Amino acid sequence: KAGVTQTPRYLIKTRGQQVTLSCSPISGHRSVSWYQQTPGQGLQFLFEYFSETQRNKGNFPGRFSGRQFSNSRSEMNVSTLELGDSALYLCASSRQGNSPADEQYFGPGTRLTVT
Amino acid sequence: KNEVEQSPQNLTAQEGEFITINCSYSVGISALHWLQQHPGGGIVSLFMLSSGKKKHGRLIATINIQEKHSSLHITASHPRDSAVYICAVSNNNDMRFGAGTRLTVKP
Repeated sequence: KAGVTQTPRYLIKTRGQQVTLSCSPISGHRSVSWYQQTPGQGLQFLFEYFSETQRNKGNFPGRFSGRQFSNSRSEMNVSTLELGDSALYLCASSRQGNSPADEQYFGPGTRLTVT
Repeated sequence: KNEVEQSPQNLTAQEGEFITINCSYSVGISALHWLQQHPGGGIVSLFMLSSGKKKHGRLIATINIQEKHSSLHITASHPRDSAVYICAVSNNNDMRFGAGTRLTVKP
């Protein structure tokens, strides 16, 4: 079974631009979560989608948004990029996402650099 | 004070040593996770537990719900265990992370 895939793996953008990152979950998984990892703040939860609906959202500004498609693939978008948005963006998928028995599987991440 | 505290921040061990990493949390949880992150960024979920103890090979994870504390043990450590180990807690599809413990195992 293929793992979680993320595209692109690396990205360089300029301040003020916008960016879209993509995540394809493991087949059969309907929950996709997004995380941001920076040296200063560590790992932080962005949002979680299940069946095309955002079920939970972390404490990030509205410039960070996401969506999920009917095939469970998910995208996240960051508008008006700031230098502080430079980070590793990770997505993780699970079957249902709301059970202690439901393990998350992480993708390799997209490393975004904002200059 | 962070909701998830890990100790130690850094740990250096000799190959073969028994290793313990601790995690304390201050929020209600549905599950606690131990994650492993190697250089390059890839994260692997090692354990997800809501009570008791789990064992996988040389790794053991325990949780005490009353004390809001969990430990990750590595027996007979090996240089390939060198990585950052991250404790995370989840509730209502929301995950909170500890700062991680950087483990270096020397041959």
